[in-house]
Parts: sequence; structure tokens; C-alpha cells
Amino acid sequence: RKEVEQDPGPFNVPEGATVAFNCTYSNSASQSFFWYRQDCRKEPKLLMSVYSSGNEDGRFTAQLNRASQYISLLIRDSKLSDSATYLCVVNGNTGRRALTFGSGTRLQVQP
Amino acid sequence: DGGITQSPKYLFRKEGQNVTLSCEQNLNHDAMYWYRQDPGQGLRLIYYSQIVNDFQKGDIAEGYSVSREKKESFPLTVTSAQKNPTAFYLCASSMAGTGTYEQYFGPGTRLTVT
Repeated sequence: RKEVEQDPGPFNVPEGATVAFNCTYSNSASQSFFWYRQDCRKEPKLLMSVYSSGNEDGRFTAQLNRASQYISLLIRDSKLSDSATYLCVVNGNTGRRALTFGSGTRLQVQP
Repeated sequence: DGGITQSPKYLFRKEGQNVTLSCEQNLNHDAMYWYRQDPGQGLRLIYYSQIVNDFQKGDIAEGYSVSREKKESFPLTVTSAQKNPTAFYLCASSMAGTGTYEQYFGPGTRLTVT
């Protein structure tokens, strides 16, 4: 089983739609969770950290479910500029304090 | 402006040659990381360093070497022993400490070996 698993997509949605991505992680001891965004042929950029109580940043909402070991990202009112690959990131191997990246979910927002 | 720089953006080498990729940061971060990304795949950790003069192997260290002589710099050498060196190489940095902190990435170097 992979440490971090994501549906690769692509998710094709119209502008203005609400879209949700889920991600599961295998290490129940993980403490830090993030969502990154990666545009085609560019570096990943931090979108938001994910806190136990859930958090929101504008149109983006992240949730953490520790019991089921999954993280979600909800994007409301999708824009064309939201088209990218979204990476779920976890500190899977806590002994080495490094992050483990999922392979990403591709989102394509269409006009 | 604070940030991470990587050079060059594109690099072409012949098989059998060693090549060194540069990574510099002025974020005053203690920890630095090297990842490799292949098309359609996630990032895989090559090496990381939590402090100057110390570094550890990641998941795919074979065929690579690093040094960390200065806090700002973490160069990666891709040696001729690396069997499939063509990839997108990403350097990142973060704070270091007892927790795990978000990482910030440089723009990457695309290496092509023929």
C-alpha cells in the first residue's frame, strides 16, 4: 500500500462548480498534512496546511479525518485558473521528519 | 526577495558524465531537500539535510551525492552510476525542529541525459 494515495483524475468540471478531492494516508502516527498545487512543468506550491479542526482559505476548505486516515480538499466556485494538479502531502515517516507526496489529482476547469 | 533558486533550468548531458545541480536559498531555513519527479509521477526524496555538514539518504539515493557546507547551499551531483537520470529535479527548504514544517520549492532543473 502506498503511504499517500490519491485518485489521479482528471476531474473535468465547468467553471463555477464545486469539486472535492480525497486522499488517504497509511501512517496513523502522521502529524502534519498539507495540500500543494502544481502547474504543468512547474514546481509545487503550498496551497494550505490542514489542521485537525479543518480550515478554510477563501474558496478552499481542507478537512482531516484521523479515524479514517483521510484528508479532503473542497474547491468552491471553480475558476479556470484552478486547473492544476493537487498534491496531498503527509509526514508519513515521522522518524526522519520528511514529507511524503501523493502522486496528485489533476483538475481541469472548463469554460 | 526571499526564495530558492536552482540553476540551470534545463541541462543536457551525455551518458557517463557526472553533473552537479545548484540549489541556493536565502530563507534562513536549516533544512533542505532534493526530490526527483518523473512524468505523471509523484515526488521521490533523494537526499535531505537538517543542518549544515549533515545529510541523510532518502528513498532513491543510489547514484546521487550531496554536500552541505553552507546553510544556503545544497548542491546535488548526479553521477554516472544513476541508471535513469533524465528527470525533473526539485530542491526545497523548510524550517527544522521537532515538528515537520511545510517545504518551499525552487523552480526545478530539467535534466536530459542521452
